[in-house]
Amino acid sequence: DTGVSQDPRHKITKRGQNVTFRCDPISEHNRLYWYRQTLGQGPEFLTYFQNEAQLEKSRLLSDRFSAERPKGSFSTLEIQRTEQGDSAMYLCASSQLAPEQFFGPGTRLTVL
Amino acid sequence: DAKTTQPPSMDCAEGRAANLPCNHSTISGNEYVYWYRQIHSQGPQYIIHGLKNNETNEMASLIITEDRKSSTLILPHATLRDTAVYYCIVKLIFGQGTTLQVKP
Repeated sequence: DTGVSQDPRHKITKRGQNVTFRCDPISEHNRLYWYRQTLGQGPEFLTYFQNEAQLEKSRLLSDRFSAERPKGSFSTLEIQRTEQGDSAMYLCASSQLAPEQFFGPGTRLTVL
Repeated sequence: DAKTTQPPSMDCAEGRAANLPCNHSTISGNEYVYWYRQIHSQGPQYIIHGLKNNETNEMASLIITEDRKSSTLILPHATLRDTAVYYCIVKLIFGQGTTLQVKP
């Protein structure tokens, strides 16, 4: 399967713990996006990379959130000191120069 | 921020055309309108996008009004597999989407 992959698919953690998610985009896609989706809502944009450069960050991305894409390939999203309100599906998408984004299956985070 | 407004739900009979409207009255002149759909528990799937002109691909057609303040996604012959949440997007901002239920 050469689509976007995300790991883990599910994560359960206790409030206050740190979590890290990984996204592997489609090979040679230079753009990578992170979104968050809560139940019954559409995805909310968090941040966007072009190659290794983080070009845009949403106001939703608080200081507890950090994303990296060190070599312009895979990306990680870390949430520090998790809160119950962080419980959501975290989606990653990638694209080439074309506007079509290819989404991964998501990582479902549950904060207890 | 650009914002889109869609009806929360619609029904469509199998084999008939599904017309899904979207209002985006605050869209800027160089911003595209994108449509994606999301089937339960999967990531969103790209359908189509446009700027000013009407667009058609193998999945759907997109009709954009001349003032660009609204658009309509048309699925010409809806099937049961088209049951999904459809999102109209401007500038990476998803709305709440329209849940389309295709009925036999």
